[in-house]
Amino acid sequence: DGGITQSPKYLFRKEGQNVTLSCEQNLNHDAMYWYRQDPGQGLRLIYYSQIVNDFQKGDIAEGYSVSREKKESFPLTVTSAQKNPTAFYLCASSIGEAGTALFSGNTIYFGEGSWLTVV
Amino acid sequence: AQKVTQAQTEISVVEKEDVTLDCVYETRDTTYYLFWYKQPPSGELVFLIRRNSFDEQNEISGRYSWNFQKSTSSFNFTITASQVVDSAVYFCALRVRYNTDKLIFGTGTRLQVFP
Repeated sequence: DGGITQSPKYLFRKEGQNVTLSCEQNLNHDAMYWYRQDPGQGLRLIYYSQIVNDFQKGDIAEGYSVSREKKESFPLTVTSAQKNPTAFYLCASSIGEAGTALFSGNTIYFGEGSWLTVV
Repeated sequence: AQKVTQAQTEISVVEKEDVTLDCVYETRDTTYYLFWYKQPPSGELVFLIRRNSFDEQNEISGRYSWNFQKSTSSFNFTITASQVVDSAVYFCALRVRYNTDKLIFGTGTRLQVFP
């Protein structure tokens, strides 16, 4: 089935630990995104990548890191520098807009999300 | 600056009632896209509709309909004859030409449909 797969669904992190959330897509999308969701605050963009080996900071990138070595994969690492990491994390992808003259506002599709809790 | 406002934090209805979820957006861009997503209790965001700024035609899909009015910067979503399975959080979002890399989300409206 085509889609976006996130793992694990639930993750617990101890203070001072780095943890990595996996995101894989088989939609052949160029662009991939990570969003964070906190209660009552909607979704906020952490990082995004329009092409392989390139990524940009979003609105709340501090304490997070990403890599984009393959088109299909965009893992997110929550580092110990992220002081309040407990949240729901959503990975997403879309047909890319980079390098195109026409803005198409392509739909961004989301995975099922990962819950991260600090213990 | 761009912004999406969903003033209704939570709405409760009884099954078979009609319900409208409000969405008001702000942008100075003339080219933009508006979206609605549904987030059921399981957590994933399900895409419902995409509408561009040049198309003000209303759209109907089964029990769902959307009313886009540029004059009031609104993109409201109506569910007709609501069902328990419609219970979810609904998000309105905006994507603009000059900040193409992200969706700007409202804070969501939680809809509870009781049997």
